[in-house]
Amino acid sequence: GQNIDQPTEMTATEGAIVQINCTYQTSGFNGLFWYQQHAGEAPTFLSYNVLDGLEEKGRFSSFLSRSKGYSYPLLKELQMKDSASYLCAVRDRNQGGKLIFGQGTELSVKP
Amino acid sequence: KAGVTQTPRYLIKTRGQQVTLSCSPISGHRSVSWYQQTPGQGLQFLFEYFSETQRNKGNFPGRFSGRQFSNSRSEMNVSTLELGDSALYLCASSDPQGTQYFGPGTRLLVL
Repeated sequence: GQNIDQPTEMTATEGAIVQINCTYQTSGFNGLFWYQQHAGEAPTFLSYNVLDGLEEKGRFSSFLSRSKGYSYPLLKELQMKDSASYLCAVRDRNQGGKLIFGQGTELSVKP
Repeated sequence: KAGVTQTPRYLIKTRGQQVTLSCSPISGHRSVSWYQQTPGQGLQFLFEYFSETQRNKGNFPGRFSGRQFSNSRSEMNVSTLELGDSALYLCASSDPQGTQYFGPGTRLLVL
């Protein structure tokens, strides 16, 4: 089976850096995705990691450790518009390659 | 390129009725996945279609069904609606690397 854990909610300050942790257990790991979802809107793709290490993309980076079953996005220079739910999703080749989503982390950015 | 489109955006039905939702994927994408999103359960996988064939299925009752047409457009149908079917139904199309891009969703309310 598979299990994905993320904190339910987090609060951070505008201009700061925040890291949102996601741990997973899956038998056929084949990549990890991060999505951002604003209230009332659809999820939008942020990043994809399949190899260990840090992938940087402007204010947003994503890290993966396959041996530890652990990933996090790193959001720098936080802005109010970054307040959203952040969804971790794991692709499992033993489940036909479908994405298994975590419950999401609700990030609130305060001034 | 135009994004994933879904119709209708909002729908109100009563218990016992049936509903059909439509999804048009990004041009060139052949895989379409459907999800149900509720506040308590998060994003739950319904099914995936590729080249008009169901490739993967989640743990939903037989009242939930879908199909895909030769132009990759997909529909999902829910028969004998229950109050618990009230949710946001999201469709996502996948690029060849497997990254999913979501449509705006159909918000279904069952009274």
